Amino acid sequence: EPEVTQTPSHQVTQMGQEVILRCVPISNHLYFYWYRQILGQKVEFLVSFYNNEISEKSEIFDDQFSVERPDGSNFTLKIRSTKLEDSAMYFCASRATGTANTEAFFGQGTRLTVV
Amino acid sequence: AQSVTQPDIHITVSEGASLELRCNYSYGATPYLFWYVQSPGQGLQLLLKYFSGDTLVQGIKGFEAEFKRSQSSFNLRKPSVHWSDAAEYFCAVGAEAAGNKLTFGGGTRVLVKP
Repeated sequence: EPEVTQTPSHQVTQMGQEVILRCVPISNHLYFYWYRQILGQKVEFLVSFYNNEISEKSEIFDDQFSVERPDGSNFTLKIRSTKLEDSAMYFCASRATGTANTEAFFGQGTRLTVV
Repeated sequence: AQSVTQPDIHITVSEGASLELRCNYSYGATPYLFWYVQSPGQGLQLLLKYFSGDTLVQGIKGFEAEFKRSQSSFNLRKPSVHWSDAAEYFCAVGAEAAGNKLTFGGGTRVLVKP
């Protein structure tokens, strides 16, 4: 069964460092998303991406965040200068295009710990 | 704006007993509704979804959910819980008008007693 793959599963970084979280969406899916879940809190939408551009972003997704689809298969989330409060589980999701009523498939997540 | 409320933060149920998790949503138009399950340290697995049609939907692992428009609810049920059902359950709402992003509820953690 096709699945969304995220790497790494766990990343520890020092405050102020840049991190790149990687995702390989399901082949032929064209809508991509990043969500995050701070420990003990709800899953929050960060950004959606379609046709090589951001289609929507939340207020969480400020200038330190960026997304990219560098090679047609990977979908990355970059955090430019990490803060302690960026520590969270980050989920990538993808959705097929065509019909609007299709579900999002989630990856297993990357747990980011900022120290 | 979309919103989802899961009133129960924790539920403890005995193995073999029935389970019902509550979910209420707020959205101006017809939403798409989902239940996801998250085991400790794991990702989000889709249990079931509602887009349209029959308001009682069947999912994986013996779960079902019923969409009640009049109550803005989408409660999840399972007639007989297994120890492996211990996890956190998230209700989510999405809509085409909102770019199909999902808005999640706060989650309900289910503990299963032997």
